[in-house]
Amino acid sequence: GDSVTQMEGPVTLSEEAFLTINCTYTATGYPSLFWYVQYPGEGLQLLLKATKADDKGSNKGFEATYRKETTSFHLEKGSVQVSDSAVYFCALTLSGSARQLTFGSGTQLTVLP
Amino acid sequence: DAGVIQSPRHEVTEMGQEVTLRCKPISGHDYLFWYRQTMMRGLELLIYFNNNVPIDDSGMPEDRFSAKMPNASFSTLKIQPSEPRDSAVYFCASSPAAAFYSNQPQHFGDGTRLSIL
Repeated sequence: GDSVTQMEGPVTLSEEAFLTINCTYTATGYPSLFWYVQYPGEGLQLLLKATKADDKGSNKGFEATYRKETTSFHLEKGSVQVSDSAVYFCALTLSGSARQLTFGSGTQLTVLP
Repeated sequence: DAGVIQSPRHEVTEMGQEVTLRCKPISGHDYLFWYRQTMMRGLELLIYFNNNVPIDDSGMPEDRFSAKMPNASFSTLKIQPSEPRDSAVYFCASSPAAAFYSNQPQHFGDGTRLSIL
């Protein structure tokens, strides 16, 4: 079946450090890929998305590139801030599917001042 | 635009009691999803609706769980009787129409934190 594998956390970084959170997927078709972020006490918010191979999604300084050859969608940010502390979820959904999202297990990020 | 609205935000009750969680999706969204989030199991899809019709309830853990969507602007998730292992955060999400436009994301509510004592 379809699945998403994320690097395990928690991840702790100092402010202004470089961030990478790895995400790989397995899918039977051609998925769209998403990163969601969950701040403490809140629901998940869409951070960025990419719908086809080689697309780059970006938002709030975060980027992720859809790599079909490596089935990956790694999240990166060049300089993290304390306010980026949250749980990050990688997810996929398949074209023509009934809109079900398959989530990774989430990666807790803590940024220290 | 109002987002997905869930109520209550917090619920604490004793085991054996009936619990009802409520969700108002974004207006015009045809799909509604119920998720459960726990530390042990992460995010689990419980059930989803399309145009108020339940499509897949294979994630509903037991017969104690039931969900309804009587109209396009309201859904409930009910647990009866509740048990301590049902303690979790329950999220509702909605997404726009057209099943094969899969690049449209789901929009999540802030969740209901449920504690069963």
